[in-house]
Amino acid sequence: GAGVSQSPSNKVTEKGKDVELRCDPISGHTALYWYRQRLGQGLEFLIYFQGNSAPDKSGLPSDRFSAERTGESVSTLTIQRTQQEDSAVYLCASSLRGIAGGFDRETQYFGPGTRLLVL
Amino acid sequence: QQQVKQSPQSLIVQKGGISIINCAYENTAFDYFPWYQQFPGKGPALLIAIRPDVSEKKEGRFTISFNKSAKQFSLHIMDSQPGDSATYFCAATINKFYFGSGTKLNVKP
Repeated sequence: GAGVSQSPSNKVTEKGKDVELRCDPISGHTALYWYRQRLGQGLEFLIYFQGNSAPDKSGLPSDRFSAERTGESVSTLTIQRTQQEDSAVYLCASSLRGIAGGFDRETQYFGPGTRLLVL
Repeated sequence: QQQVKQSPQSLIVQKGGISIINCAYENTAFDYFPWYQQFPGKGPALLIAIRPDVSEKKEGRFTISFNKSAKQFSLHIMDSQPGDSATYFCAATINKFYFGSGTKLNVKP
């Protein structure tokens, strides 16, 4: 019955290091989304997983960013060779069916986010 | 290019007043327009949403007004309360969600 959870809640890393962010969606939700939220800005779409379909990676800003999802459960977002401009809150959301259900009938449930600071 | 433009960036309203946040879009293929509310330290949560075949939707103190010809939609918060103080994001969808840049609302007691 828990909502979307993300870990860690905060991450401080040095420029050039790799980081891995984790998202546990709501059980039974087939759709999972990753967003980036820079300070004082809106949500920037990164990647979308829908069931067993190929993910929509069109929002990933560079090849340093990658994400995986195991079946319809946990997802990890990996940022390699982090840069200072990667500092942001990374939000994960899940929904029951995603585009397959029609977005107008879908509610995305967001996790609390991971605050990443690259020094 | 930002798909959804939101204004104002910040808004201060007295308790009991009306808060109005505006969004504009270019892509006429967008088919769903949700608004999200985000409190500090929390993820956004769906507040209210509208489809483009409807001009207005009201849920309690929250109303979305939709102007298809002008490609604009707005959120009105009637009788604004201090507990409404949060950041509000509009969004539009076509295969994925495109979010506005957010409006930080502060309702003064």
